[in-house]
Amino acid sequence: EVQLVESGGSLVQPGGSLKLSCVASGFTFSNYWMDWVRQTPGKSLEWIGEINTDGSKTNYAPSIKDRFTISRDNAKSTLYLQMSNVKSDDTAIYYCTRVQRGAFDYWGQGVMVTVSS
Amino acid sequence: DIVLTQSPALAVSLGQRATISCRASQSVSISRYNLMHWYQQKPGQQPKLLIYRASNLASGIPARFSGSGSGTDFTLTINPVQADDIATYYCQQSRESPPTFGGGTKLELK
Repeated sequence: EVQLVESGGSLVQPGGSLKLSCVASGFTFSNYWMDWVRQTPGKSLEWIGEINTDGSKTNYAPSIKDRFTISRDNAKSTLYLQMSNVKSDDTAIYYCTRVQRGAFDYWGQGVMVTVSS
Repeated sequence: DIVLTQSPALAVSLGQRATISCRASQSVSISRYNLMHWYQQKPGQQPKLLIYRASNLASGIPARFSGSGSGTDFTLTINPVQADDIATYYCQQSRESPPTFGGGTKLELK
């Protein structure tokens, strides 16, 4: 059974940093591109960025570029999202997703990040 | 970015057909591939993939869900609607980066 389990969400002050993790199981992690998607309270879904299978290539949404970094450790089947210089607009539920045929075919349960002083 | 437009809500009776639409600001089709996908999200849960590439049923999804469309206009059909289908439905395109989502259609009971 495919499982994605995020952790690391918390309350963080504006300008602060936070690192989210997503542990994958039930599939060969190193074979898949992985993405992060977020959902702001009461609003729709926003793609944050992606990483290729060996971690050598990343792409990001303009809204978070240069502030967030996606990385992965295939030996640990773990995806990461390093968030820095966070803003109130970054308050959201963050989901780790697996990508197949351009669709997000599996999602983690999500982790809440609240940016507030 | 490609903008996807969905109606905010749709009211339907149990046992009837629900048709949810998604319109893209530009074509999301390449040759024979229609790069539109559909998700279901229930309150407090993560989204779940229902349909990929416009018309392909994702693993474990009941056959009462179906998808169609090409170019800029796409449809998710639920027939017949069951109580468990009350949720918000999102479309998403992968034709161009960044991938974008529609605003969601909340399926409600009449």
